[in-house]
Amino acid sequence: GQNIDQPTEMTATEGAIVQINCTYQTSGFNGLFWYQQHAGEAPTFLSYNVLDGLEEKGRFSSFLSRSKGYSYLLLKELQMKDSASYLCAVLDGQNFVFGPGTRLSVLP
Amino acid sequence: ETGVTQTPRHLVMGMTNKKSLKCEQHLGHNAMYWYKQSAKKPLELMFVYNFKEQTENNSVPSRFSPECPNSSHLFLHLHTLQPEDSALYLCASSQVSEGRYNEQFFGPGTRLTVL
Repeated sequence: GQNIDQPTEMTATEGAIVQINCTYQTSGFNGLFWYQQHAGEAPTFLSYNVLDGLEEKGRFSSFLSRSKGYSYLLLKELQMKDSASYLCAVLDGQNFVFGPGTRLSVLP
Repeated sequence: ETGVTQTPRHLVMGMTNKKSLKCEQHLGHNAMYWYKQSAKKPLELMFVYNFKEQTENNSVPSRFSPECPNSSHLFLHLHTLQPEDSALYLCASSQVSEGRYNEQFFGPGTRLTVL
């Protein structure tokens, strides 16, 4: 079967660093994506990992360990506008399997 | 503005109605997708079209019928829906290059309510 797990909710303070974890069990693996979704809006692409290691894009970084079925999204210098849901998605063949999403609240 | 548009943005329909959702992408992508997003549930992939050919159908009930007349347009035809089909329906597109699926760009979604 296919299973993707993420924490349901997280809270952090403005200016801090937060790490959102994602674990997955899928029959195949062709890459892992992270998306941001603000309430009432469509998801927007943040990062993509297909090889083990860290991918950095400004304040956002994503890490992948294929042997452990594990990824995390790291957000630095948190801003109020980062309050949103963060979705982890695994590409299994041509099938995108999404996790339940992590709702992040950034407090002043 | 992601380059993917959807109409209508909101739709209320009865269980005996027939309606269609429309999606258009202006990004030159060759793959398009329909997703269902219900409250408290993960985003669910419904259909995938790659070069206008349907390549994925995740056990979606036949009351949902997709149509992809060309690589820029995607429809979802709805008939005899159930109240549990009420959800946000998202369309997305991406570029598939040499078998690699790149990131998806999502439309704003259609909020569907079935009475």
